[in-house]
Amino acid sequence: DQQVKQNSPSLSVQEGRISILNCDYTNSMFDYFLWYKKYPAEGPTFLISISSIKDKNEDGRFTVFLNKSAKHLSLHIVPSQPGDSAVYFCAATPGKGANNLFFGTGTRLTVIP
Amino acid sequence: GAGVSQSPSNKVTEKGKDVELRCDPISGHTALYWYRQRLGQGLEFLIYFQGNSAPDKSGLPSDRFSAERTGESVSTLTIQRTQQEDSAVYLCASSLVRGQAGAQYFGPGTRLLVL
Repeated sequence: DQQVKQNSPSLSVQEGRISILNCDYTNSMFDYFLWYKKYPAEGPTFLISISSIKDKNEDGRFTVFLNKSAKHLSLHIVPSQPGDSAVYFCAATPGKGANNLFFGTGTRLTVIP
Repeated sequence: GAGVSQSPSNKVTEKGKDVELRCDPISGHTALYWYRQRLGQGLEFLIYFQGNSAPDKSGLPSDRFSAERTGESVSTLTIQRTQQEDSAVYLCASSLVRGQAGAQYFGPGTRLLVL
């Protein structure tokens, strides 16, 4: 049972435009959310996170939005750059101190120069 | 190196054989995690080690899977009597302290193919 869902397996965006990656979750106990980025043949690397007490967290070109009532979060990248091309995983955990993360299936972002 | 390393990078085995996967965490990281990613799916949590505490084995899919870690060093994940559905990328991650989910550093993974 997939508790974290990324319904778009792929996304293509022109360089300089905004990339919006979406994620939905079903478990209302989740209260800490993360985005990871993965290049081929490498492990995922942490990108940005958000606690359920917030609805927005920004770090440079990356912003994560959380809508708790809709159990939905999104990652905005603006402006998108060719180096952002990677697979992006959404993850959630029932508490920042929990042992494990529940991951989505990933969205492959391609930024076209 | 400074990152998490895993070996082998690729492993092809025959159904029914045992395999052992190795993870070298970042030096000084007390927490170590194993995940797997099957084709078209997200990462699944398998097991978590924190120092000398009893591991959290809640994600292990069957008793054919086991893992060990001595202290805060190397960990090995063993799969006995491999099945074709065990084919996946097995990822190891470590973090400095318990539960810092955002600070998990992942290795490159071991790609396992069971024929």
